[in-house]
Formats: sequence, structure tokens, C-alpha cells
Amino acid sequence: GAVVSQHPSWVICKSGTSVKIECRSLDFQATTMFWYRQFPKQSLMLMATSNEGSKATYEQGVEKDKFLINHASLTLSTLTVTSAHPEDSSFYICSAPRGSLDNEQFFGPGTRLTVL
Amino acid sequence: AQSVTQPDIHITVSEGASLELRCNYSYGATPYLFWYVQSPGQGLQLLLKYFSGDTLVQGIKGFEAEFKRSQSSFNLRKPSVHWSDAAEYFCAVGGVTGGGNKLTFGTGTQLKVEL
Repeated sequence: GAVVSQHPSWVICKSGTSVKIECRSLDFQATTMFWYRQFPKQSLMLMATSNEGSKATYEQGVEKDKFLINHASLTLSTLTVTSAHPEDSSFYICSAPRGSLDNEQFFGPGTRLTVL
Repeated sequence: AQSVTQPDIHITVSEGASLELRCNYSYGATPYLFWYVQSPGQGLQLLLKYFSGDTLVQGIKGFEAEFKRSQSSFNLRKPSVHWSDAAEYFCAVGGVTGGGNKLTFGTGTQLKVEL
């Protein structure tokens, strides 16, 4: 199957700093990628849709100035958590659809962010 | 708005026993339905999907699911569970209408397998 990678797999940072998370589709191109957030023992919540060459689309309640998304190429989307605070600590997961079956998405392994 | 309900937060079964994980959905049109499995430290893996056609869908690892429109359900089944099946299972719904590629996930069911 298709492979989606994320980097880093985990990161610990101090409150007030910014953290960048990368999502790459390794063997296919993705004009769209999705960013999810997962709290412990909870489901995945869609944060935003990353669109190559245009602005990201954010879900209601997600601060776009807080979570900056850049889809720089057909294989790379980045999520930057700006001025991170402890409440931003979470598991961030990206996904990308491939092929004609757009609803079949391939997920990255996730990034564990801990803000001290 | 689309939604997914997984009524069972935790399920424990003995190895070799049968398994059924429940999923109910709410969606305004014909849904695309998915089951994913998440193991610790790994990304979500697609077990199976339903787009159209035969309502009984076969997936990987011996899993199957049945789409029942009248009950708005898409329950996941496996006739004989293996210890390696212990993981978190998510049901998801998506569709072209209104949501594009967006998936809405249920809250997940944690499966524990007793040896």
C-alpha cells in the first residue's frame, strides 16, 4: 500500500516555542492532505485540509493562526504549532488520499507533541 | 452532519473466540464506510471499506463487515480472534457530498484479547 511518513515521531518543547511537523507521501503525489488531532483514548478529530498551492481549509474551532499549514509540494505538507502551550500536547496525525478512490486515505504514523 | 457511534469503548474476548464490533452512522446520502485499526506506535491501517455493491465486505486479516442501510450500521466481525488483533479499532464515514474526502471517526473500540 501507499506510504505516508511523519517527522518527527515525537517532540518535546518548551511552552512558547513553535514546532513544525512534516507529513510526506513517499510513493504517490497528494494534492490534498489532512491533519488530525487525537487526544488520549479519544477519536481522531479533523483539524484542517491541506491543499497544494492554496490555503488550507480549517475546521470550525481550529485556530488557523495557531496551527499553520503549508502544502509546499505534491508530497509534503507541514503543520506548525505556533507558540505552543501545554494544552496543545496531543497526537497529531496526517493522511493523504491516493488515486481515483479519493476517500481511501493513507495515514502517517503520527507525531506525539508534549509541551512543557 | 455526519457522525459515527461506536457504543463499545472496551471489549475483551478470548483468543479463538468470535468478535463483533459495532458501528452506527448518520449520513445524509450514501455513505462511504471504513474500518481502521490502530496499534501503538503505528499509523491507522485500513481493514476494509464499503463504497457500493455487495453489502458484505471482506477485508484484511480475516475481518469482514456488513453494511445494513435499514439499521445504519456497519459492524465489524471476525470468526476467530488472534492475540495480535489486540488494538484500537475505528469506524469512519465519509462521502463526496458535502464533505469531499473528509472522514468522520467514531470514538474507537479498544480490543483486548485474553490468551
